[in-house]
Amino acid sequence: DAKTTQPNSMESNEEEPVHLPCNHSTISGTDYIHWYRQLPSQGPEYVIHGLTSNVNNRMASLAIAEDRKSSTLILHRATLRDAAVYYCILNNNNDMRFGAGTRLTVKP
Amino acid sequence: SQTIHQWPATLVQPVGSPLSLECTVEGTSNPNLYWYRQAAGRGLQLLFYSVGIGQISSEVPQNLSASRPQDRQFILSSKKLLLSDSGFYLCAWSDRGSGYTFGSGTRLTVV
Repeated sequence: DAKTTQPNSMESNEEEPVHLPCNHSTISGTDYIHWYRQLPSQGPEYVIHGLTSNVNNRMASLAIAEDRKSSTLILHRATLRDAAVYYCILNNNNDMRFGAGTRLTVKP
Repeated sequence: SQTIHQWPATLVQPVGSPLSLECTVEGTSNPNLYWYRQAAGRGLQLLFYSVGIGQISSEVPQNLSASRPQDRQFILSSKKLLLSDSGFYLCAWSDRGSGYTFGSGTRLTVV
């Protein structure tokens, strides 16, 4: 299976932008890049996904490298409610597998 | 709009007892359905997925089983629970090619 690599943890200050990196050097041409986040004691929540082009939605932006071997989830202004574990996942069939993710801490 | 229902929210069961967790999806047809488990402080482990009625793929050999008796119903079962079955069980659905939507989860404690 294609795998992703993310930092174990990151810190951010409230109201500042956050860039969460993800490496996926073995990505295949049909793999979509998905991002989810999980708040404590809750199920993961879909954030954003893309294939080749950068994507924006009301929650975040996804910047995908030209060679697609890495991507960055961008939270434009972190809030305390954005503190969560963020998962970057490659998905091209029916069995999406989660790694350990990045635990984001937001400091007031 | 699509919704996913998962129950119960919490469950405490003795070792050796049976288990049945149910998940239903509304507002969509022929979804892909998934069961994940998350042990305390750990990541999510894919247990089963289904692309249609009666079609179940198992990812991890264990004493759990899954069934899909109806298009929008996915059931996780065990005949005899082990202590190691404790965890946070999550059901999810997806439309092919789209993101996954997760249920609120069942926290199972085997005592």
